[in-house]
Amino acid sequence: GAGVSQTPSNKVTEKGKYVELRCDPISGHTALYWYRQSLGQGPEFLIYFQGTGAADDSGLPNDRFFAVRPEGSVSTLKIQRTERGDSAVYLCASSRQGALSTDTQYFGPGTRLTVL
Amino acid sequence: DQQVKQNSPSLSVQEGRISILNCDYTNSMFDYFLWYKKYPAEGPTFLISISSIKDKNEDGRFTVFLNKSAKHLSLHIVPSQPGDSAVYFCAARLNSGGSNYKLTFGKGTLLTVNP
Repeated sequence: GAGVSQTPSNKVTEKGKYVELRCDPISGHTALYWYRQSLGQGPEFLIYFQGTGAADDSGLPNDRFFAVRPEGSVSTLKIQRTERGDSAVYLCASSRQGALSTDTQYFGPGTRLTVL
Repeated sequence: DQQVKQNSPSLSVQEGRISILNCDYTNSMFDYFLWYKKYPAEGPTFLISISSIKDKNEDGRFTVFLNKSAKHLSLHIVPSQPGDSAVYFCAARLNSGGSNYKLTFGKGTLLTVNP
């Protein structure tokens, strides 16, 4: 079956612009996560969706970052007024439920965002 | 502050030998640990996990050991193969009904297996 897909694979933008990053989770997975991986670091949690609702957005760095999942499947991470420090690989993951600690998260290939 | 630490940025081993990747953690509330493998331009792929109630979990060539008193876990790969060359991330989850979905990752260790 298809895994988690993310588009675009690469995004180059200028400082101050708005970007949208898309994630298609594995079909039937109710839980969806966004992580950010900066150079030389491990992935860092941003936000967790259970169905359509953002159950935990505590990892979003500031109010320029926002994510939606209107129909409980595809999710979009939106970044306003991008800054050079936003440059990173943005990873999306999904899992069957999310509520169980043993629930495996499956990651997509990521979107590499470069802010010039 | 790094709650999950992988102190070796890189490791090089010969094909057929054992690879040992180490991970330390500081938060005693972590109760589930995972290893992910990552190839360039791909997302992390789940490899193996262990619950805090166990001290060992084995899956084929991969074994994870957990030492709770030392807050230390290790991943053993035997025998190592060139295709195992990748970045390995250690990750942990909290024992908390409210946030047990959240993974905390280490910085990763680049494993190179030489033919």
